[in-house]
Amino acid sequence: IAGITQAPTSQILAAGRRMTLRCTQDMRHNAMYWYRQDLGLGLRLIHYSNTAGTTGKGEVPDGYSVSRANTDDFPLTLASAVPSQTSVYFCASSVRAGTASTEAFFGQGTRLTVV
Amino acid sequence: AQSVTQLGSHVSVSEGALVLLRCNYSSSVPPYLFWYVQYPNQGLQLLLKYTSAATLVKGINGFEAEFKKSETSFHLTKPSAHMSDAAEYFCAVSDSGYNKLIFGAGTRLAVHP
Repeated sequence: IAGITQAPTSQILAAGRRMTLRCTQDMRHNAMYWYRQDLGLGLRLIHYSNTAGTTGKGEVPDGYSVSRANTDDFPLTLASAVPSQTSVYFCASSVRAGTASTEAFFGQGTRLTVV
Repeated sequence: AQSVTQLGSHVSVSEGALVLLRCNYSSSVPPYLFWYVQYPNQGLQLLLKYTSAATLVKGINGFEAEFKKSETSFHLTKPSAHMSDAAEYFCAVSDSGYNKLIFGAGTRLAVHP
């Protein structure tokens, strides 16, 4: 089934370690996003990419970096993990940016625990 | 900046009762509004969206929402709740610049027999 694949599905990570969350989509969507979901806070945008080769900062970008080398992949890297980055991370994509009526499609999420 | 407020972090209804989940938005330009549903341990699934074509929007699973500009609201309703509707529901507004979605904090719906 076409869609968004995230890996891993869950991870326990020691504080200070580097971690990359993977996201791949096969829908040829131009725009991709990373959100974190925390209880009582909804989903907050970390980083986004409107098209391959470009990225931008969302609401909570500190401690995270992204790259968009091609259309399909949008990895999220935690350079040095801290406990406050314990969260559920969702990758999403939409057909294109700039047309605000386009809805986003979501992956199944990565549950990350930093200890 | 755009924002979304969902009134009530938890809503509990009886099976067969009306479901009403509230969402108010803030936007300086005409908004695009969305409702998503999240079942346990799953990603988000689009229920419905408002894109200015019609103020009453019908979505999947019998849900609908009405856009009211004067009240800056986009409340989600369903006439008769099913047990399978138990989930978390998120209202979202799109940003006019880069198609980012700004989410509310979510409302967890419980349906009891």
